[in-house]
Amino acid sequence: DVKVTQSSRYLVKRTGEKVFLECVQDMDHENMFWYRQDPGLGLRLIYFSYDVKMKEKGDIPEGYSVSREKKERFSLILESASTNQTSMYLCASSFGTAGNTIYFGEGSWLTVV
Amino acid sequence: GESVGLHLPTLSVQEGDNSIINCAYSNSASDYFIWYKQESGKGPQFIIDIRSNMDKRQGQRVTVLLNKTVKHLSLQIAATQPGDSAVYFCAENSQGGKLIFGQGTELSVKP
Repeated sequence: DVKVTQSSRYLVKRTGEKVFLECVQDMDHENMFWYRQDPGLGLRLIYFSYDVKMKEKGDIPEGYSVSREKKERFSLILESASTNQTSMYLCASSFGTAGNTIYFGEGSWLTVV
Repeated sequence: GESVGLHLPTLSVQEGDNSIINCAYSNSASDYFIWYKQESGKGPQFIIDIRSNMDKRQGQRVTVLLNKTVKHLSLQIAATQPGDSAVYFCAENSQGGKLIFGQGTELSVKP
């Protein structure tokens, strides 16, 4: 089975703090993604990566950055957390060409106060 | 523009009945579709997928139907169980290779 692991399930951070969300997948997938999920807005793509050290902006990249130094690991960084970034963050991965099935982690609930 | 939507935001069924969850998509060029199940507090879980060269695909207790003429996708769950209670999302493979997700339908199973 595909395993996508998000290291932090629940975080509470203060406005202005730098926040790191870590994600690891164990299936040697080329593609990795970060989404946020909000009530009424569904899943929105923040950033994705097709290869090590490569990144592409998704639909809502503002206020976020990412890092992919190793194939299995994809980090989401909030440089200066704001209250409107309170959300559930989902990491995902997929194999091969874009458009294949995406497998999700369990999610990280971030609250910014 | 591209969109994937669901006809009903909530669906309530009796345990043992069959459930049908619907999804409309607008991008006629989409060639791959996926259904996900998301339980409360968890990430979306892959259920079943279908490519555009098929109109039906069956899994364990689930069937996905694709009608390309009217751009409609449905998920049928046979003999619905309490453990099936969750939010169900459809997703389509848009041009550019990114998946576009629908808003989700909440399925509630009554004992």
